[in-house]
Amino acid sequence: QLQLQESGPGLVKPSETLSLTCTVSGGSISSSSYYWGWIRQPPGKGLEWIGSIYYSGSTYYNPSLKSRVTISVDTSKNQFSLKLSSVTAADTAVYYCARHLFRPGHTLFDYWGQGTLVTVSS
Amino acid sequence: NFMLTQPHSVSESPGKTVTISCTGSSGSIVSNYVQWYQQRPGSAPTTVIYEDNQRPSGVPDRFSGSIDSSSNSASLTISGLKTEDEADYYCQSYDSSNHEVTFGGGTKLTVL
Repeated sequence: QLQLQESGPGLVKPSETLSLTCTVSGGSISSSSYYWGWIRQPPGKGLEWIGSIYYSGSTYYNPSLKSRVTISVDTSKNQFSLKLSSVTAADTAVYYCARHLFRPGHTLFDYWGQGTLVTVSS
Repeated sequence: NFMLTQPHSVSESPGKTVTISCTGSSGSIVSNYVQWYQQRPGSAPTTVIYEDNQRPSGVPDRFSGSIDSSSNSASLTISGLKTEDEADYYCQSYDSSNHEVTFGGGTKLTVL
């Protein structure tokens, strides 16, 4: 059974960079047809896609966040990571990693991590 | 930007049927598949419908999805409502013009 687990600091200061890692177990991050994505959810609000990466390093980002986001992959560790720069209180959210079936006309997040709350505060 | 609009909340009694709509802002919602996710408080979302109307294994057939091209909308219908269906539901699709994944704002379903 595929499992994803987010890890990283739960508290980040304003203007600094948020960094999270997602560790994939029970399957290979190098599987064809699958991207690996980050989604966030501010407290009491809806879901927002941040971006996704293929094991080759190919990425797609939410245009509204693209200038601040970097997603990378480490196939040797079966992990992928998120960096979000210049954070503000508006970036406080539960951050989820997920497996992302991503092909023309079709995009589905079928396995999700449990999510990790990141608070931006001084 | 392509947006998906859902009602903020719906409520219905146990045993009844409820339909949640998801309306696309532009283009054609039939151009890309629509997915529906259920999210209970404190938990990650799970898929209840994918590819417009397909149910993952383990999802009861009380859940169904459909597309109406005339109104550029997708719908999630839950029949025989149970209290355990009470959750937030999100539709999700893809804007191929700018490679952007889009979620609807979510609908809170209350079963009372």
